[in-house]
Amino acid sequence: GAGVSQSPSNKVTEKGKDVELRCDPISGHTALYWYRQSLGQGLEFLIYFQGNSAPDKSGLPSDRFSAERTGGSVSTLTIQRTQQEDSAVYLCASMQGGGWTGELFFGEGSRLTVL
Amino acid sequence: AQSVTQLDSQVPVFEEAPVELRCNYSSSVSVYLFWYVQYPNQGLQLLLKYLSGSTLVKGINGFEAEFNKSQTSFHLRKPSVHISDTAEYFCAVSALKAAGNKLTFGGGTRVLVKP
Repeated sequence: GAGVSQSPSNKVTEKGKDVELRCDPISGHTALYWYRQSLGQGLEFLIYFQGNSAPDKSGLPSDRFSAERTGGSVSTLTIQRTQQEDSAVYLCASMQGGGWTGELFFGEGSRLTVL
Repeated sequence: AQSVTQLDSQVPVFEEAPVELRCNYSSSVSVYLFWYVQYPNQGLQLLLKYLSGSTLVKGINGFEAEFNKSQTSFHLRKPSVHISDTAEYFCAVSALKAAGNKLTFGGGTRVLVKP
């Protein structure tokens, strides 16, 4: 597609359930980032994928969070045993390869509400 | 590690008036600097960036920012705002030699342009 696509756009779940959030980056973009935006907070880095390199997982807040990127394209962020503090907007962004530019292209986000 | 402080969480401004959004950063290494904008119900998009060269950077929609290394600041300015500039603005920093080159974002500044 023309832009970064995220699904679902909204997800309401009960505490303790697992959720999966999907990101489809811009075709040809080799770098993919996940950020979390909580109410009144800035963007919190979660994880970064670059090509076939090992991902930078340094921002994942706990072992309940994991992410994978299949075939260098689509990525899934999984949150296990969700807690209320996981409620936030989860943003995915991609960046083209061929030299780092700093220009991230963001999706519109997946809003997660944990009841 | 880097950190970014946006001193104003909200900035109300009248149409055609100037606006300045303040951004200060902290880093033990040289950095790249960015401003991103998030219009209502849209994903973030790059407004402008400083990678090297002239410290005065011009971006889209008439915005500009000045990198001041001694004051570790990267304030964003526009001489005359429009209603359409109502949005949330995020300052971000990335270390020049950071593995993965992830961006660290500030908490954001909401700009509300009043007629």
